[in-house]
Amino acid sequence: EDQVTQSPEALRLQEGESSSLNCSYTVSGLRGLFWYRQDPGKGPEFLFTLYSAGEEKEKERLKATLTKKESFLHITAPKPEDSATYLCAVGTYKYIFGTGTRLKVLA
Amino acid sequence: DTEVTQTPKHLVMGMTNKKSLKCEQHMGHRAMYWYKQKAKKPPELMFVYSYEKLSINESVPSRFSPECPNSSLLNLHLHALQPEDSALYLCASSQESQGAYEQYFGPGTRLTVT
Repeated sequence: EDQVTQSPEALRLQEGESSSLNCSYTVSGLRGLFWYRQDPGKGPEFLFTLYSAGEEKEKERLKATLTKKESFLHITAPKPEDSATYLCAVGTYKYIFGTGTRLKVLA
Repeated sequence: DTEVTQTPKHLVMGMTNKKSLKCEQHMGHRAMYWYKQKAKKPPELMFVYSYEKLSINESVPSRFSPECPNSSLLNLHLHALQPEDSALYLCASSQESQGAYEQYFGPGTRLTVT
């Protein structure tokens, strides 16, 4: 059965303290892996798509990487406005979502 | 522009009411989706429209009725809902439904069933 697991479930960082979020997956043939950011009560905001192992994408303080078994979302020198839930998903029209990592960045 | 709009933002309805949620995108996307999201859970897929035709119904109860009037609009008609249907309803769109394309989500409609 296809599965996506995210860790940690919750993470508290001090402003400027870099860290990584993990998304491990078990799927029969990865077509795409997607990262989203979701603020409370709002829709997920698209961040990155990764298609093949070794691929990396960056946007401001965020960098997403992909291996054959997992993806990491690296957050460099985070700011309080980076606080959100980060979701990863795999699939095509039907996403298999992880349960998310709730990130809190303290000033 | 990667914007998907949804109206209303909030909706409170009784169990005997009929209401509709609306979604619009102007990105030329040919696939549109409805999701339901409960607190602290990831979104759950409800329906997929591809080229204005319903292609996926994830065994959603008939009290939820989707409609795609044209390639830019998606509606979700609600009737005789239950309190457990209270949730955030999200609309999304993507370039196509076949293939791994990123989905762009709207801000959601917070639905409360009393």
